Amino acid sequence: AQTVTQSQPEMSVQEAETVTLSCTYDTSESDYYLFWYKQPPSRQMILVIRQEAYKQQNATENRFSVNFQKAAKSFSLKISDSQLGDAAMYFCAYRTYGASGTYKYIFGTGTRLKVLA
Amino acid sequence: KAGVTQTPRYLIKTRGQQVTLSCSPISGHRSVSWYQQTPGQGLQFLFEYFSETQRNKGNFPGRFSGRQFSNSRSEMNVSTLELGDSALYLCASSLGLAGGTQYFGPGTRLLVL
Repeated sequence: AQTVTQSQPEMSVQEAETVTLSCTYDTSESDYYLFWYKQPPSRQMILVIRQEAYKQQNATENRFSVNFQKAAKSFSLKISDSQLGDAAMYFCAYRTYGASGTYKYIFGTGTRLKVLA
Repeated sequence: KAGVTQTPRYLIKTRGQQVTLSCSPISGHRSVSWYQQTPGQGLQFLFEYFSETQRNKGNFPGRFSGRQFSNSRSEMNVSTLELGDSALYLCASSLGLAGGTQYFGPGTRLLVL
């Protein structure tokens, strides 16, 4: 069975600094998707970044980038130039490829990021 | 475009009752997924509907059911509520099934007494 592990329940970063959130997963599949979602306090969850497993190039979205290590089954999120608005719970998620039309979404337990002014 | 909306936002029920939650996806989105979020279990996938058909299902008992209407709006029903059903129920919509970006609603917070 697939699992997603976020080993850091909480992280802190100084404003304007860089922070890396860790995520590891376990799967026997070769094709899948990986996501980082952000859930600010009392606000809606939004997608931060997405990575297709068949793509070797790491995804980037402005200040957010990932370090995708397929062999190591690692998918970390780097936030550069941290801003106060980055404070949120971050969830790493895995989705099976679903070639047969069915798939699973599995979320990690989340990492709460605090941004210090 | 309007985002994903969920109603009601808050609900208080007692054990044994049933509850129906509603989700309106972003216009044009045909896929609606439901999740349960609790402090202890985190985010767990309940099920997904696409074109009025349940396409995927998580590991939840049969007390949890859902449906999708022709306009893609979806409802989730929980019968015979238990204390452990207290949670934030999130709905997410996407254009299709193929690993597309999911857009989440604000959630319905259910408290079972």
